[in-house]
Amino acid sequence: QQPVQSPQAVILREGEDAVINCSSSKALYSVHWYRQKHGEAPVFLMILLKGGEQKGHEKISASFNEKKQQSSLYLTASQLSYSGTYFCGTEPGTDKLIFGTGTRLQVFP
Amino acid sequence: GAGVSQSPSNKVTEKGKDVELRCDPISGHTALYWYRQSLGQGLEFLIYFQGNSAPDKSGLPSDRFSAERTGGSVSTLTIQRTQQEDSAVYLCASSLGVWGALGETQYFGPGTRLLVL
Repeated sequence: QQPVQSPQAVILREGEDAVINCSSSKALYSVHWYRQKHGEAPVFLMILLKGGEQKGHEKISASFNEKKQQSSLYLTASQLSYSGTYFCGTEPGTDKLIFGTGTRLQVFP
Repeated sequence: GAGVSQSPSNKVTEKGKDVELRCDPISGHTALYWYRQSLGQGLEFLIYFQGNSAPDKSGLPSDRFSAERTGGSVSTLTIQRTQQEDSAVYLCASSLGVWGALGETQYFGPGTRLLVL
């Protein structure tokens, strides 16, 4: 039931791009994305709803393909501040979220 | 305006005791969420409230866990007969609207670190 995130870890240099994927075996109503820095509370990034939605937040955007039951988070021209662990949360239409195991992203100068 | 606050910030308790965790959401936020994160682990969704009601309580780990929200504001998460596996950081978040609605951005509190000995 837990969505699978890939890759598990990413190492980037500033300015490089990255894609984080989230796949579920269940039909999804929505996908949520969060970023968490070590020792801090998570930060909400965005929610994508059923309907093939795409959203952007600064240089971070995401897409949701409900037919494939997957979502992708796109980080372009990465900055040092993007470092952290990214979690996707999937909602199979049951008013609760199931989180992926997370993707650790490190951006170096 | 103040953000989401949680109390206590840290709680150490003995196995078998009951604990009560409190969350004060941002004023005017109708949606309130509880999450849990065990040490070095990922996020676990527990429950969310729209107003005073929770549409689905099945995310609570066991029947020792209960949550309530009164007056559409403060929420309390109660854990009865605590077990060592309950040790975790309990996070609360609030948003103006529920998922998919306007104002869906969630704002997190700093969390309550619970240690059950």
